[in-house]
Amino acid sequence: TQLLEQSPQFLSIQEGENLTVYCNSSSVFSSLQWYRQEPGEGPVLLVTVVTGGEVKKLKRLTFQFGDARKDSSLHITAAQPGDTGLYLCAGDRDKIIFGKGTRLHILP
Amino acid sequence: DTEVTQTPKHLVMGMTNKKSLKCEQHMGHRAMYWYKQKAKKPPELMFVYSYEKLSINESVPSRFSPECPNSSLLNLHLHALQPEDSALYLCASSQEVTRPGELFFGEGSRLTVL
Repeated sequence: TQLLEQSPQFLSIQEGENLTVYCNSSSVFSSLQWYRQEPGEGPVLLVTVVTGGEVKKLKRLTFQFGDARKDSSLHITAAQPGDTGLYLCAGDRDKIIFGKGTRLHILP
Repeated sequence: DTEVTQTPKHLVMGMTNKKSLKCEQHMGHRAMYWYKQKAKKPPELMFVYSYEKLSINESVPSRFSPECPNSSLLNLHLHALQPEDSALYLCASSQEVTRPGELFFGEGSRLTVL
């Protein structure tokens, strides 16, 4: 059973477009994290969301935590080739649970 | 630059070799982790150390042997590995095990078992 479902699994879009990726669960998490991983490197923490309904912005990236703390979304405005990578969400339930990730490719 | 340093970055070993992966962090974190990541998959937890004591072993085969010499160092000793053990091995740290969400990862050690 996959506790955290990420969608889509793959996304390839043109530079300048907007996109949203999702992280969904039927379980409540005390916090959710989003990481970005580039090939051959370790994941890098982007943000932590803790409060239901919370919205956090990191330049062109907007993260939202669902009101019930079961899901989260990542919206990227005006995507750039540097946004290419594997986006992982992770939930905190005694130990960390990772989703399978969304592989994002931005075409120049 | 990552504040978690892993060495070596690449390792090739035979099935009869003994080697070690090393990890170091100087952020004062009290929890350290080993993850294994296969291509196009998310990281899989292997071991967790809290205050230098092993707190979680995710049923990892004994050919992987972790060691935490002090609060800044974490090693993974490898012996009699199989080709299917080839993967990216990631070390991570967090402030506490009770706040595990915010993990800081190293760049990983790419292991190839021949």
